[in-house]
Amino acid sequence: AQSVTQLGSHVSVSEGALVLLRCNYSSSVPPYLFWYVQYPNQGLQLLLKYTSAATLVKGINGFEAEFKKSETSFHLTKPSAHMSDAAEYFCAVTRSGGYQKVTFGTGTKLQVIP
Amino acid sequence: GAGVSQSPSNKVTEKGKDVELRCDPISGHTALYWYRQRLGQGLEFLIYFQGNSAPDKSGLPSDRFSAERTGESVSTLTIQRTQQEDSAVYLCASSDGGQGSGNTIYFGEGSWLTVV
Repeated sequence: AQSVTQLGSHVSVSEGALVLLRCNYSSSVPPYLFWYVQYPNQGLQLLLKYTSAATLVKGINGFEAEFKKSETSFHLTKPSAHMSDAAEYFCAVTRSGGYQKVTFGTGTKLQVIP
Repeated sequence: GAGVSQSPSNKVTEKGKDVELRCDPISGHTALYWYRQRLGQGLEFLIYFQGNSAPDKSGLPSDRFSAERTGESVSTLTIQRTQQEDSAVYLCASSDGGQGSGNTIYFGEGSWLTVV
């Protein structure tokens, strides 16, 4: 079985401040991990993914995430928040090998305060 | 096509009516997924297709929900005798089935269903 837990359904940061969105996973085998972003009234867009290569993964819009096996974490960060980063962010887990169900977290809404 | 396409983008229906939601996946993608997202909530897995077969339909909430896929392409999600609790965004996604993509799935814009 696999699961992800996103700590904090809502996170507020000031414009220019560090963004940190937390994701912890549970998986009995080495996982593949993803972060998706959903802007209002839109579908989900892939931000970045970890598939067992480099543990520090860089994505679009200046976001990055680090896979930490010892902490079973895959937190999403961005050094400096921009107003356009306000959206909902979803962490997801799956595993390698053909079809595997992708399990999503419950999402974290990021608010950026000017 | 260039991306996952869903139609209709918005649908308002009366309670008890049937609705059909359509998904056109990315060309060549063998895997297709349906998810439901209720207002303010996360993603709820409904069903997965590999080709035209559905090896995992464990998320369909009741027998009022069904889905099919033809030609290893278009998929239709049908909800019979709609209820107000069916109001949600229905998201379709596709992937190349894990063949080198790391199981990356790509989403459509969703079909917003409102049952009144």
